[in-house]
Amino acid sequence: AQKITQTQPGMFVQEKEAVTLDCTYDTSDQSYGLFWYKQPSSGEMIFLIYQGSYDEQNATEGRYSLNFQKARKSANLVISASQLGDSAMYFCAMRELAGGTSYGKLTFGQGTILTVHP
Amino acid sequence: NAGVTQTPKFHILKIGQSMTLQCTQDMNHNYMYWYRQDPGMGLKLIYYSVGAGITDKGEVPNGYNVSRSTTEDFPLRLELAAPSQTSVYFCASWDISYEQYFGPGTRLTVT
Repeated sequence: AQKITQTQPGMFVQEKEAVTLDCTYDTSDQSYGLFWYKQPSSGEMIFLIYQGSYDEQNATEGRYSLNFQKARKSANLVISASQLGDSAMYFCAMRELAGGTSYGKLTFGQGTILTVHP
Repeated sequence: NAGVTQTPKFHILKIGQSMTLQCTQDMNHNYMYWYRQDPGMGLKLIYYSVGAGITDKGEVPNGYNVSRSTTEDFPLRLELAAPSQTSVYFCASWDISYEQYFGPGTRLTVT
């Protein structure tokens, strides 16, 4: 069974600083995808970034990058130059891909609340 | 495209009542999902569907039922509502690309 662990219930960062949100995962499959979603106080789920298990380079999307360490089974999100609008809940999620039997189902971590201070 | 739409946005249900949460997507996606999010927690999968007429249970299916008569619609039925079903419900769809598309959510209170 898959499991996602986010050990930081809350994180604080100063505006314009970088912050790393931790995510570790557990799976027995070789083929899987890792995601980060942002959930602002308004409640919607906003897709941020994706990393495939066979991708050799770390994914980047603007100010977001995913620090993927396969051997350690970690997929940390790095937000550079934090902005006040980055204050939100952040979820790490995983989708197994092996054999097509995952049917796209996502397993989520518990989330990390990020607060950006001016 | 409207993407994934959900109705209602908010609802208060009395214990023992039943209701249907509606979900519609206009992207012609075969895969659709229902998740629930309890306060301060991550999302958990209730049910999913891989196409019209095909549904299966997720991690937390008890107290819910689904149907998928069309590609577009994937309603979630709550029978005999209980306070433990107070949650935010998200519908999502997927087209085997990497991103799953989420609806705006339905905030349900059972009291």
